[in-house]
Amino acid sequence: NAGVTQTPKFRILKIGQSMTLQCTQDMNHNYMYWYRQDPGMGLKLIYYSVGAGITDKGEVPNGYNVSRSTTEDFPLRLELAAPSQTSVYFCASSYEISYEQYFGPGTRLTVT
Amino acid sequence: GENVEQHPSTLSVQEGDSAVIKCTYSDSASNYFPWYKQELGKGPQLIIDIRSNVGEKKDQRIAVTLNKTAKHFSLHITETQPEDSAVYFCAAAGNTNAGKSTFGDGTTLTVKP
Repeated sequence: NAGVTQTPKFRILKIGQSMTLQCTQDMNHNYMYWYRQDPGMGLKLIYYSVGAGITDKGEVPNGYNVSRSTTEDFPLRLELAAPSQTSVYFCASSYEISYEQYFGPGTRLTVT
Repeated sequence: GENVEQHPSTLSVQEGDSAVIKCTYSDSASNYFPWYKQELGKGPQLIIDIRSNVGEKKDQRIAVTLNKTAKHFSLHITETQPEDSAVYFCAAAGNTNAGKSTFGDGTTLTVKP
């Protein structure tokens, strides 16, 4: 199993550009999450999904959108990138609620 | 919502010493408390977890204790080694809100050889 994979690993965006961060898991997990991690800080939940077709907002959803058309994929869309979205983004999945989350390697995004 | 506070933010110990990291949580409905280790440039990885029906759990050099009354839990690492150097995160989750985990801000542990 590859676990949770994320692409790209690094990206530099100009202000106002858009992009999609890809996340795929091969563990057949229903629960998937997107977090951002700012320097020296913990993980803040952006969006989460409890299954295909179902998504909901986390703590910091503004400026982002998600979709979940399949169990495996959970892409995160940034529209009109802003410098405040410079961060490291982690995707995670879990088998059930209140269970271990498996994290991807992260995408380091810089908006200038 | 849940609020998790983690202390200290940085911790430096000599190899072979013990390290203790403490977290407090606010929501009495939380019932799952994982600890994650994040090495430089990687995603967090679970090292140990505890559920609210248990007071202590051990796995070799790592242990976690939970005090539900006081709403705090701690990570204990004994006989620390340089490879234990990393950022450690605590989290709290419950059965509501899709079991969303709320994370502490992390502790950077440095083990000096």
